[in-house]
Amino acid sequence: AQSVSQHNHHVILSEAASLELGCNYSYGGTVNLFWYVQYPGQHLQLLLKYFSGDPLVKGIKGFEAEFIKSKFSFNLRKPSVQWSDTAEYFCAVTPQQAGTALIFGKGTTLSVSS
Amino acid sequence: EPEVTQTPSHQVTQMGQEVILRCVPISNHLYFYWYRQILGQKVEFLVSFYNNEISEKSEIFDDQFSVERPDGSNFTLKIRSTKLEDSAMYFCASSLAGGTGELFFGEGSRLTVL
Repeated sequence: AQSVSQHNHHVILSEAASLELGCNYSYGGTVNLFWYVQYPGQHLQLLLKYFSGDPLVKGIKGFEAEFIKSKFSFNLRKPSVQWSDTAEYFCAVTPQQAGTALIFGKGTTLSVSS
Repeated sequence: EPEVTQTPSHQVTQMGQEVILRCVPISNHLYFYWYRQILGQKVEFLVSFYNNEISEKSEIFDDQFSVERPDGSNFTLKIRSTKLEDSAMYFCASSLAGGTGELFFGEGSRLTVL
């Protein structure tokens, strides 16, 4: 069965620190990869996605993620976090076929102190 | 900006009671989903719905669950006889394309079973 692992449960950073959140998935075929963010009291929103092409994808709010196929990884990065980045971050994967559901990781809570 | 809306935002029910959670997906979307998140755990896929029928369901989605699109706008999740372990946040989502499309999530309905 497919699964998604997020290594960090809770990350605490100061403003301007760099961020990297790990995500690994287990699925042998071609996949689409996503990072979603949930700000406190709000719904899940898409940060960025990878379908094909350049393995380094840029999303909203200065986030980027790199797909490394050999490592089955899709880590999320941001060079300098802000207090407003405090949220829960979810990595998700789906096989590249229509109608297949997203499988989510357990999520990482990011707390940024000002 | 179009959004997915869910009602109620919070429902408290007694064990054994039936619960209906309602969702209004984005109007031109074709794929509809229900996910749930038990407190402290990952977001779990329940069911996807396309062309007026279930296209995929997880092992969580057993006989006590059902989904319906009773009219052109609503998408409901019914839990026939609630159990304590059904307490969770239930998220509805919709997408224009399945698998490769971005999912747009509602803000969730928190179900508490006593």
